[in-house]
Amino acid sequence: EPEVTQTPSHQVTQMGQEVILRCVPISNHLYFYWYRQILGQKVEFLVSFYNNEISEKSEIFDDQFSVERPDGSNFTLKIRSTKLEDSAMYFCASSEAPGDEQYFGPGTRLTVT
Amino acid sequence: GDSVTQMEGPVTLSEEAFLTINCTYTATGYPSLFWYVQYPGEGLQLLLKATKADDKGSNKGFEATYRKETTSFHLEKGSVQVSDSAVYFCAPLSGGYNKLIFGAGTRLAVHP
Repeated sequence: EPEVTQTPSHQVTQMGQEVILRCVPISNHLYFYWYRQILGQKVEFLVSFYNNEISEKSEIFDDQFSVERPDGSNFTLKIRSTKLEDSAMYFCASSEAPGDEQYFGPGTRLTVT
Repeated sequence: GDSVTQMEGPVTLSEEAFLTINCTYTATGYPSLFWYVQYPGEGLQLLLKATKADDKGSNKGFEATYRKETTSFHLEKGSVQVSDSAVYFCAPLSGGYNKLIFGAGTRLAVHP
């Protein structure tokens, strides 16, 4: 069964450093998403992406965040200068069409020290 | 804005007990509704969905019915198993079809 994959599973970085989280969505899916879950809190939407453009972004997704689909398979989330409060589990998801069910990857745990 | 309210956990049950996890939402229009499950140490898995009023989603013995009049999507299972122990998230799709709005999650612990 096709699945969304994410790398790395755990990333530790120092405050102020740049990180790139990687995702490989399901191959025939066209819509991509990033969510995050701070420990013990809700899963929060960050951004949705379609046709090489951001469709929607939340207030969390400020200028420090960016997304890219650098090739036909990868979808990345970059945080330019990490802060302690960026520590969270980051989930990538994809769907075939808007309104369809979204399939999630296993997540990347980001720890900012 | 769109929001979701789930019953607080943890919910602790004995094996074979009946499960209900309540979920109500506020949203623009009539969004598709989803339940996701997160097993310990794993990501979010789609459990079931309903796309219009009175639809019943079902999977692995779990069911939920889209109730437009009460804006609810309660999750039920007739007989839980230890392997059902997980965190369950109710999530309507926002009016723009771009994002899921997650509830706080309800932790279920099933004991033998």
